[in-house]
Amino acid sequence: DAGITQSPRYKITETGRQVTLMCHQTWSHSYMFWYRQDLGHGLRLIYYSAAADITDKGEVPDGYVVSRSKTENFPLTLESATRSQTSVYFCASLPYWAPNYGYTFGSGTRLTVV
Amino acid sequence: AQTVTQSQPEMSVQEAETVTLSCTYDTSESDYYLFWYKQPPSRQMILVIRQEAYKQQNATENRFSVNFQKAAKSFSLKISDSQLGDAAMYFCAAWAGANSKLTFGKGITLSVRP
Repeated sequence: DAGITQSPRYKITETGRQVTLMCHQTWSHSYMFWYRQDLGHGLRLIYYSAAADITDKGEVPDGYVVSRSKTENFPLTLESATRSQTSVYFCASLPYWAPNYGYTFGSGTRLTVV
Repeated sequence: AQTVTQSQPEMSVQEAETVTLSCTYDTSESDYYLFWYKQPPSRQMILVIRQEAYKQQNATENRFSVNFQKAAKSFSLKISDSQLGDAAMYFCAAWAGANSKLTFGKGITLSVRP
């Protein structure tokens, strides 16, 4: 029961570098989401995807790019990392559009931009 | 759309005692769902309990129960017989409306005193 896997678990990068955070799920869930967690802000939605090749912006999309060429993968790319993007990033999935189901989360990636 | 407010950043409870974590929300939708998530030091986001707005009965999951006050837009979490393993950050979340996404409060850190 692999579930939803995020990698890496920790990442340190320099300002201006491109970095990609990976998210992989084994359930073939249709919906996938990227959130960032910051103290004092809770979790905020960055991007989400309803299916392969269908993505849309969330609350805080600036500075991020996503793609979803396969149902099981939903990578998040910071094209030119900034210190304000230091955060914990969570990927989540939902099998279909069933709000009462609740999201299933990965274990998160702690990203530090120096 | 919806907003979720957790005004208490921290709480503390004695082991075996009962504690209530507060949450208020706001939405104009009539159909919505409310959730409490637990985030222990491992960082994993764990769904604790969910409540459908159309259900009058408060949800219960073992030692966890909610006090859902629809008119007051209040959704508090009660933890009975607190255990050391309950120490974590707790997030209240809401999903309201067909095109909505899960929105989180800022979270509350619960400590359990032995």
